[in-house]
Amino acid sequence: DQQVKQNSPSLSVQEGRISILNCDYTNSMFDYFLWYKKYPAEGPTFLISISSIKDKNEDGRFTVFLNKSAKHLSLHIVPSQPGDSAVYFCAASGETSGSRLTFGEGTQLTVNP
Amino acid sequence: GAVVSQHPSRVICKSGTSVKIECRSLDFQATTMFWYRQFPKQSLMLMATSNEGSKATYEQGVEKDKFLINHASLTLSTLTVTSAHPEDSSFYICSARRWGWTSGGTNTGELFFGEGSRLTVL
Repeated sequence: DQQVKQNSPSLSVQEGRISILNCDYTNSMFDYFLWYKKYPAEGPTFLISISSIKDKNEDGRFTVFLNKSAKHLSLHIVPSQPGDSAVYFCAASGETSGSRLTFGEGTQLTVNP
Repeated sequence: GAVVSQHPSRVICKSGTSVKIECRSLDFQATTMFWYRQFPKQSLMLMATSNEGSKATYEQGVEKDKFLINHASLTLSTLTVTSAHPEDSSFYICSARRWGWTSGGTNTGELFFGEGSRLTVL
């Protein structure tokens, strides 16, 4: 039972354009969502998070949008840079501390120069 | 910033042997650590929650006798894969939660991940 789903295994965008990564969840008890970036053979690094009481959180080039009614969140990266190429995981938790996470399958983002 | 370190980063072992992976929080104390496993092109799957000074809490379907977890101190948790088999080959990642106070006075816990350990069982 995949409670967090990232339906696009890969995404390719041109440098300078916007990257939009999508994530859907099924568990209505989730109230805290996070995005992680992962390079090969390394552990994930935290990017940005959002609490269910918000619908948008912005940090520099990264913005996360949350649509609770649709159980959908997205990560926008603008402008995209080649160094952003990595696997992006969305994760969800039923606790605001975000400790026990359920991860999506990940989306491989490739930003072409 | 906080750092969580795993060792070894890569290990190759023969089938039937046991392998220990260490997870350390380098500049903070962690009463709770988490162990994940990742298969190729799949999501990180939570295996167990490691609790300092008490037994680990395992997720459904994870064999506790197969994956021994010890959290003997506030900065170290170990995962031992016992009697390893080729199907145990995977990428194992730990995480630790650091509690802190925001400028607004909210107590929050942020998760930090280790670099991961690639286990290959021949």
